[in-house]
Amino acid sequence: RKEVEQDPGPFNVPEGATVAFNCTYSNSASQSFFWYRQDCRKEPKLLMSVYSSGNEDGRFTAQLNRASQYISLLIRDSKLSDSATYLCVVNYEGGGNKLTFGTGTQLKVEL
Amino acid sequence: DADVTQTPRNRITKTGKRIMLECSQTKGHDRMYWYRQDPGLGLRLIYYSFDVKDINKGEISDGYSVSRQAQAKFSLSLESAIPNQTALYFCATSPSGTDTQYFGPGTRLTVL
Repeated sequence: RKEVEQDPGPFNVPEGATVAFNCTYSNSASQSFFWYRQDCRKEPKLLMSVYSSGNEDGRFTAQLNRASQYISLLIRDSKLSDSATYLCVVNYEGGGNKLTFGTGTQLKVEL
Repeated sequence: DADVTQTPRNRITKTGKRIMLECSQTKGHDRMYWYRQDPGLGLRLIYYSFDVKDINKGEISDGYSVSRQAQAKFSLSLESAIPNQTALYFCATSPSGTDTQYFGPGTRLTVL
């Protein structure tokens, strides 16, 4: 079983739609959680951290469910510019500053 | 200017050649990392360094070596390149005490 699992997609959605991605992680000792965004052939960039209480940044909402060991990302009012691959990232307790990356979920927003 | 730079950006080489990929940062971060990315496998950690005198193996260090020449520089070497080392390589940095990592633009390496 992969340590961090994501549906690879692609998710094809029309502009303006709401789309949600889930990610599951296997290590219950996981401590920190993130969503990174990666455009084609470019470097990953931090989209947002994920906090236990859930957090929102504009059109993006992240949720963490420790009991079920999953993380979600909700994008409202999708824009063409949201088209990218979204990486779920986990830092394990005692792992120092080492992150474990999911393989990513591809989003395509269409006109 | 970019905070994390990688050179070269693209490299094609032959099996058995020695290759060095370089990473420089102006962010003043103590921690630096090397990853490779392959389709369907995500990013995998090769080596990391928490300080100039600190070097640690990641999950896929075989066939690679690193050198932390200064706080701002972290280079990755392939002593004898092989075709399955064809991948996209990323350098990343992080300040001590946080989990956030900042990535360089990547080096696309092809080993023929």
